[in-house]
Amino acid sequence: QVQLVQSGAEVKKPGASVKISCKATGYTFTSYHFSWVRQAPGQGLEWMGRVSGYNDANGDTTYAPKFRDRVTMTTDASTSTAYLELRSLRSDDTAVYYCARDSLMKLAFDYWAQGTLVTVSS
Amino acid sequence: DVQMTQSPSTLSASVGDTVTITCRASQSISTWLAWYQQKPGKAPNLLIYKASNLETGVPSRFSGSGSGTEFTLTISSLQPDDLATYYCQQYHSPFTFGQGTRLEIK
Repeated sequence: QVQLVQSGAEVKKPGASVKISCKATGYTFTSYHFSWVRQAPGQGLEWMGRVSGYNDANGDTTYAPKFRDRVTMTTDASTSTAYLELRSLRSDDTAVYYCARDSLMKLAFDYWAQGTLVTVSS
Repeated sequence: DVQMTQSPSTLSASVGDTVTITCRASQSISTWLAWYQQKPGKAPNLLIYKASNLETGVPSRFSGSGSGTEFTLTISSLQPDDLATYYCQQYHSPFTFGQGTRLEIK
């Protein structure tokens, strides 16, 4: 069965960077994109961007304008893992970060990982 | 960017009721809309895709409709397990979510 599993919680100081992993199993990694979504405490869902898992896409990315200058999304097909790196962290980056399988067939995110809590605090 | 306006923000209903949540897009998105359910402390779960298609494994009490700029999610025969926050999401990059509707069971 399809499963996405993220790396564990992180505590970072302002100005630092964080890199979260998302390992996919149970399907062909190179047939789907990944999207990253975050959720600040008590708030709604915010899409951060998408990275292609396709073999011929060279890791094509689309980032939400708000994050474009601070985020990098990558994939490693050899380990079926997607990564999110967010730089220059601020206190308002404290949130749960989710990766999700992004289905072009359904035009929706059909599987989600459990989420990773990133706390930014001095 | 397409903005999504979801209403109501909070909804209280009894077991067995039928409830409707509305999502409006700031411009036409055809049927490129999904609905998600998020239970407290959990990741979101896909309910409906392409406005009206029920995701595999989701109870048929959930249904979606609409196209263009106005969409609805209907939950019939409400169950205690439906306690959750519901989000719409449009699929024209950059993707955006509605603000969420918190469903409370009386």
